[in-house]
Amino acid sequence: EVQLVESGGGLVQPGGSLRLSCAASGLSFSTKWMHWVRQAPGKGLVWVSRVKTDGTSASYADSVKGRFTISRDIAKNTLYLQMNSLGAEDTAVYYCVTDPDSSGYSHFDYWGQGTLVTVSS
Amino acid sequence: DIQTTQSPSSLSASVGDRVTFTCRASQSISNYINWYQQKPGKAPKVLIYAASSLQSGVPSRFSGSGSGTDFTLTISSLQPEDSATYYCQQSYTISYTFGQGTKLEIK
Repeated sequence: EVQLVESGGGLVQPGGSLRLSCAASGLSFSTKWMHWVRQAPGKGLVWVSRVKTDGTSASYADSVKGRFTISRDIAKNTLYLQMNSLGAEDTAVYYCVTDPDSSGYSHFDYWGQGTLVTVSS
Repeated sequence: DIQTTQSPSSLSASVGDRVTFTCRASQSISNYINWYQQKPGKAPKVLIYAASSLQSGVPSRFSGSGSGTDFTLTISSLQPEDSATYYCQQSYTISYTFGQGTKLEIK
């Protein structure tokens, strides 16, 4: 059974930093592109970032470029999202998701339960 | 960036009804559209990818169609457990834009 378990969310002050983690199990982690998707309270889904299977290539939404860094540790089957210079607009549930075909018909087939990040003073 | 616009924003239907959701892309995206279902407090679940491919384990009452800029998701016979918000998503460009969602209520 595929499991994605996010952690690291919480309350942080504006301008602060947070690192999210996503522990993956039940899948061949090293063969999957991985993404982060976020959802502000009561709002829709927004793609945040993706990282290639081997971690050598990453992409970001314009809204987080230069502030967020995605990475992965293949040995630990773990995905990360380092978030810096956080603002109120970053308040959201952050989901870790897998992509079985990022080079073809990309779609998000497994999702974690999400971790809530709240940016507030 | 490619925009994806869903209509309607909400709809109400009865068990057994045929229900159709619409998604329009701001430019042609071939068949690079996915559909997700999200229930309150839960993570989304993929239903359809590549416009018409049914994700494994998803009931066959769900189907997708379309190409270019106009896409539809259809539920052939609505069930009580289909009450949820449905999102389309383009995967033609790396912005992976989601639509704003259609909330489905069961009468």
